[in-house]
Amino acid sequence: AQTVTQSQPEMSVQEAETVTLSCTYDTSESDYYLFWYKQPPSRQMILVIRQEAYKQQNATENRFSVNFQKAAKSFSLKISDSQLGDAAMYFCAYRREGGSEKLVFGKGTKLTVNP
Amino acid sequence: EPEVTQTPSHQVTQMGQEVILRCVPISNHLYFYWYRQILGQKVEFLVSFYNNEISEKSEIFDDQFSVERPDGSNFTLKIRSTKLEDSAMYFCASSEGLAVNEQFFGPGTRLTVL
Repeated sequence: AQTVTQSQPEMSVQEAETVTLSCTYDTSESDYYLFWYKQPPSRQMILVIRQEAYKQQNATENRFSVNFQKAAKSFSLKISDSQLGDAAMYFCAYRREGGSEKLVFGKGTKLTVNP
Repeated sequence: EPEVTQTPSHQVTQMGQEVILRCVPISNHLYFYWYRQILGQKVEFLVSFYNNEISEKSEIFDDQFSVERPDGSNFTLKIRSTKLEDSAMYFCASSEGLAVNEQFFGPGTRLTVL
């Protein structure tokens, strides 16, 4: 079974600085997809960024980027120029290619942004 | 912007009672999901639904649970006889397709079983 591990229950960052959230996963599949979701205090989860495992290039969405290391099964999220609105729970998620449609989530990392 | 909606936002029920949690997925989406999050724990998959039938379910989704798309817009999760351990946040999600397609989540229903 696939598992996703987020080893940092909480992280904090100063406004305008950069923070990296860690995620590792375990799978025997070669084709899959990885996601970072953000869950603000209002609790609606929203997609931050996604990565197809077959793509070597790391995904980027404005201030958010990932460091995808397929061999190491690592998928970290970097937030640059952190803003107060970035404060939230961040969940790393895995989805297998074909068949299973479910997202497998990590336990989440609570990010605090200090002014 | 279209969004997934869920009602009620909070449901309190007595152990053994039936509850129905309601979701309205995004209108052109074809795949529907229920997840739950027990307080302080990870979000867990319950069930996926496509073409009017369950496509996958987890071991959590036992005979006490059922899903239905009664009218082409609503997507419901029924818990037949609630247990204390069913207390959790229940999230509905929908997506246009599979693979890298985004699953859009609703705001959740907090279920409290007393």
